[in-house]
Amino acid sequence: NAGVTQTPKFRVLKTGQSMTLLCAQDMNHEYMYWYRQDPGMGLRLIHYSVGEGTTAKGEVPDGYNVSRLKKQNFLLGLESAAPSQTSVYFCASSYDPRSTGYSYEQYFGPGTRLTVT
Amino acid sequence: LAKTTQPISMDSYEGQEVNITCSHNNIATNDYITWYQQFPSQGPRFIIQGYKTKVTNEVASLFIPADRKSSTLSLPRVSLSDTAVYYCLVGDSLSGGYQKVTFGTGTKLQVIP
Repeated sequence: NAGVTQTPKFRVLKTGQSMTLLCAQDMNHEYMYWYRQDPGMGLRLIHYSVGEGTTAKGEVPDGYNVSRLKKQNFLLGLESAAPSQTSVYFCASSYDPRSTGYSYEQYFGPGTRLTVT
Repeated sequence: LAKTTQPISMDSYEGQEVNITCSHNNIATNDYITWYQQFPSQGPRFIIQGYKTKVTNEVASLFIPADRKSSTLSLPRVSLSDTAVYYCLVGDSLSGGYQKVTFGTGTKLQVIP
């Protein structure tokens, strides 16, 4: 099993450009998440999905859009990149916590390092 | 969401036991206490979780008192490779907040030779 994979690993954008980050998981997890982590900071939740075709806002959703057309994929889009979006982006997946007795074990991808100039 | 409080940083010498305590006064009856480890330039990795008393695995032990308002992650005989950030998480199942958790800033553990 590959677990959680993220594409690309690195990217440099100019202000105003757009891009899509792809996350894929092969564990048949219902839940998927997008986090960002700024230098020296903890992780902040951008958007999450509790199932195919559903998405919800997290703590810092502004400037991002997401889609979950297939259960195994979760896409994060930046329509008009800004320097404030320079960060490392992590995708994660998990089972529905209700099915695991409210366990919060999430599986993380390796991250995408994004720089916006 | 149920909040957690843990020290920002800790230093330890190699070979010592390290205990990191997390407080979670508002933890719901149903929720596990979960700890993650994050090395530089990597995503967080689940290391241990527990509901009550003591849990032990090959990486760490987790001690949870009866009132569950705090928990202590114990790393035996740390090595330089244990230098990482450790996050304590709880959910919020009672108010329907089980769909997401808050990682916070974690505890940065620096192991010194």
